[in-house]
Amino acid sequence: QVQMVQSGAEVKKPGASVKVSCKTSGYTFITYGISWVRQAPGQGLEWMGWISAYNGNTNYAQKFQDRVTMTTDTSTGTAYMELRSLRSDDTAVYYCARASGGVGTFDSWGQGTLVTVSS
Amino acid sequence: SSELTQPPSVSVSPGQTASITCSGNKLGNKYTSWYQQKPGQSPVLVIYQDTKRPSGIPERFSGSNSGDTATLTISGTQAMDEADYYCQAWDTSTAWVFGGGTKLTVL
Repeated sequence: QVQMVQSGAEVKKPGASVKVSCKTSGYTFITYGISWVRQAPGQGLEWMGWISAYNGNTNYAQKFQDRVTMTTDTSTGTAYMELRSLRSDDTAVYYCARASGGVGTFDSWGQGTLVTVSS
Repeated sequence: SSELTQPPSVSVSPGQTASITCSGNKLGNKYTSWYQQKPGQSPVLVIYQDTKRPSGIPERFSGSNSGDTATLTISGTQAMDEADYYCQAWDTSTAWVFGGGTKLTVL
């Protein structure tokens, strides 16, 4: 079955960077994209961006365009999301999700990674 | 602010039908998905491509999408359906966007 296992919780200081990983299994990695979605405490879901595991093409939400980089390692089936210049309002649970091409749905999700930004 | 508008909360009695709406400009021209999220858990896909149910999702979950409104309908609502529900739309020009979420209470 499809599995998406994310890296563990992180605590960062304002201005630092964080890199979250998402290791996939149970499907052919390059046949789907990966999106990253975050959820601040008590808030809703916020789409951050998407990367094609096939060719590395990316589509970032305008809000994060200057601070986020999404990459993949096809040899290990792992996706990465790096967020720079962290602020306190970046404190959130970050999810990776498998994006089904053509219908724009997220059919499998990682367990989430809590990133806490605090001085 | 979200480009998709959902009611913050919906209440339903057990066994009754719950309807959760999601409004957005020409939403009917986009593919809409719905996710269920219980406290402390990751979201789970319950409806995709407006009306389709993934395997393992009970038949009581159904969806529709027309004009500016998509609707998630839960027939014969059970206590286990109490959760937050998020709509999400996608098209090639605007990429992905989520609604603000609706807390479904079964009382």
